[in-house]
Amino acid sequence: GENVEQHPSTLSVQEGDSAVIKCTYSDSASNYFPWYKQELGKRPQLIIDIRSNVGEKKDQRIAVTLNKTAKHFSLHITETQPEDSAVYFCAASPHSGSARQLTFGSGTQLTVLP
Amino acid sequence: EAGVAQSPRYKIIEKRQSVAFWCNPISGHATLYWYQQILGQGPKLLIQFQNNGVVDDSQLPKDRFSAERLKGVDSTLKIQPAKLEDSAVYLCASSYSTRNDYTFGSGTRLTVV
Repeated sequence: GENVEQHPSTLSVQEGDSAVIKCTYSDSASNYFPWYKQELGKRPQLIIDIRSNVGEKKDQRIAVTLNKTAKHFSLHITETQPEDSAVYFCAASPHSGSARQLTFGSGTQLTVLP
Repeated sequence: EAGVAQSPRYKIIEKRQSVAFWCNPISGHATLYWYQQILGQGPKLLIQFQNNGVVDDSQLPKDRFSAERLKGVDSTLKIQPAKLEDSAVYLCASSYSTRNDYTFGSGTRLTVV
């Protein structure tokens, strides 16, 4: 089955700096890669996703890049703000008919220092 | 649209007791998932339903966990008997069959003592 590794496990940045979180996956059949933000005690919320036919996707201050050959994808947050502090999870999903099971990474605790 | 509803929000039980969680997905979402999230880890899929049929339950500890989705809408997840290592947040999620984006519920935090 799919295995997703995520690093770093913790990341502290100064407000206004950029943050980068990286993930690798094992299953070459995976073709959908979402990123979720989870604040303490709350549910995971989708912040951005990318499909394997796209190399990069951007939405305001966040962007995701995908390298299919190397099987890794990254989340980039620019101009970080204190409200960006949360746990971020990457995930991967192989195409299997209508099934879209997600395999999650272990999470990155991002702390944005004011 | 209304979100995915889960109850209870919190549950504390002693080991070897039984517990049940309930999930009501977003209207029209044919696919329903139960995930287990142990503290400090990413969610792990337990079971996936398509309408009222099971698509994948390969990671469900079937000796103690069971789940059903009657009439293809609400779902319940049961643990019997519970173990200490079952302490986790149990997340329900739903999606349209042909779309990728999930909507997660707020989860049920289970503590087994």
